[in-house]
Amino acid sequence: KNQVEQSPQSLIILEGKNCTLQCNYTVSPFSNLRWYKQDTGRGPVSLTIMTFSENTKSNGRYTATLDADTKQSSLHITASQLSDSASYICVVKGQAGTALIFGKGTTLSVSS
Amino acid sequence: KAGVTQTPRYLIKTRGQQVTLSCSPISGHRSVSWYQQTPGQGLQFLFEYFSETQRNKGNFPGRFSGRQFSNSRSEMNVSTLELGDSALYLCASSLGGLAGEGAETQYFGPGTRLLVL
Repeated sequence: KNQVEQSPQSLIILEGKNCTLQCNYTVSPFSNLRWYKQDTGRGPVSLTIMTFSENTKSNGRYTATLDADTKQSSLHITASQLSDSASYICVVKGQAGTALIFGKGTTLSVSS
Repeated sequence: KAGVTQTPRYLIKTRGQQVTLSCSPISGHRSVSWYQQTPGQGLQFLFEYFSETQRNKGNFPGRFSGRQFSNSRSEMNVSTLELGDSALYLCASSLGGLAGEGAETQYFGPGTRLLVL
């Protein structure tokens, strides 16, 4: 069964610290992997999109990595800010014609 | 450029009623997808429309239906509402490829929060 698992489920860090969120998937064949940020009460916003051949992609303080062999991805947040408090969702696209598969997200809380 | 808009933003219904939600995609976008988001299940795909045709459908009962108009605006309908239909319903638009194909970005609206009593 195609699944996307994210860990941890929730995370609390101090402002200015770094953190890494994990995403493991069983989707095969694999087309691309996306990370979204969802603020409370809002729709998700795309952070990065990586295809099979890409190992890393950055968007400001957000850096995503992908290991297609082990079917793992991570999202690293550098020098966290209060505005980084949100849910981070990993999304995987399988073979052509299939729907996106969403992880349940990691809730990040950044405190001062 | 205006983003994806969804109306209404909040809705309260009772069991057995039906509801229609509306989504206006970003200008020029022809693909519209609908998702249900609940705390327990996360985001789940409902269906996707392109040029007024349903291209893909998730595993939801027939009570959930949708349509797309010639101007790419889309509506989804839920009939005979159940308590478990309480959720945030999100709409996303993209230029034209199947949702998620290639490196095409999907843009989400703010969602409609539906509460079924």
